[in-house]
Amino acid sequence: EAGVAQSPRYKIIEKRQSVAFWCNPISGHATLYWYQQILGQGPKLLIQFQNNGVVDDSQLPKDRFSAERLKGVDSTLKIQPAKLEDSAVYLCASSLKGTSGIYEQFFGPGTRLTVL
Amino acid sequence: AQSVSQHNHHVILSEAASLELGCNYSYGGTVNLFWYVQYPGQHLQLLLKYFSGDPLVKGIKGFEAEFIKSKFSFNLRKPSVQWSDTAEYFCAVSSGGGADGLTFGKGTHLIIQP
Repeated sequence: EAGVAQSPRYKIIEKRQSVAFWCNPISGHATLYWYQQILGQGPKLLIQFQNNGVVDDSQLPKDRFSAERLKGVDSTLKIQPAKLEDSAVYLCASSLKGTSGIYEQFFGPGTRLTVL
Repeated sequence: AQSVSQHNHHVILSEAASLELGCNYSYGGTVNLFWYVQYPGQHLQLLLKYFSGDPLVKGIKGFEAEFIKSKFSFNLRKPSVQWSDTAEYFCAVSSGGGADGLTFGKGTHLIIQP
């Protein structure tokens, strides 16, 4: 089974520039999540989609961050304009409800963003 | 709001030593608890999870964890560690049968010396 795919793996930009990350979840997984992991901390949920609808974006800095999942499959996360404190690894995860009724999240390799 | 506290940020052990990593959570409702591991250069992977039933759960690679509701704890254990257990370990909590986003602790960096 193919895992969660993310690109690019690494990105270096200057502050005030824009950047976009792409995620392709595991086939059939209806729920997709974006997390931000700052060095030395655990991942923090930014946004959660169920199919192409937003379930939770309470921790997404909406003045500069946006995300979409137009066809309920792939998703993009954008930062515009970037700040130094946005330097982090951006993780995408997807999940599916199992036969037991329990969900399990599967994580992609992440995109490491450095803002100079 | 949910929160997770991991007591040890860095742990160094010798091979064959026993391991216990502490995790406490704060949440008023029914929680689902997880331990994830990130080996060097690899993705986050699920080690084990607790949703209901037997509070002692067994995961992959010989790991286990015990849910103690009265202490709001979900400590990870392994009786005898190996060099290959060197990794970052994260405790996480969610609600809703695991469908909701996870709240992670800050992680514990475990180094096993041969």
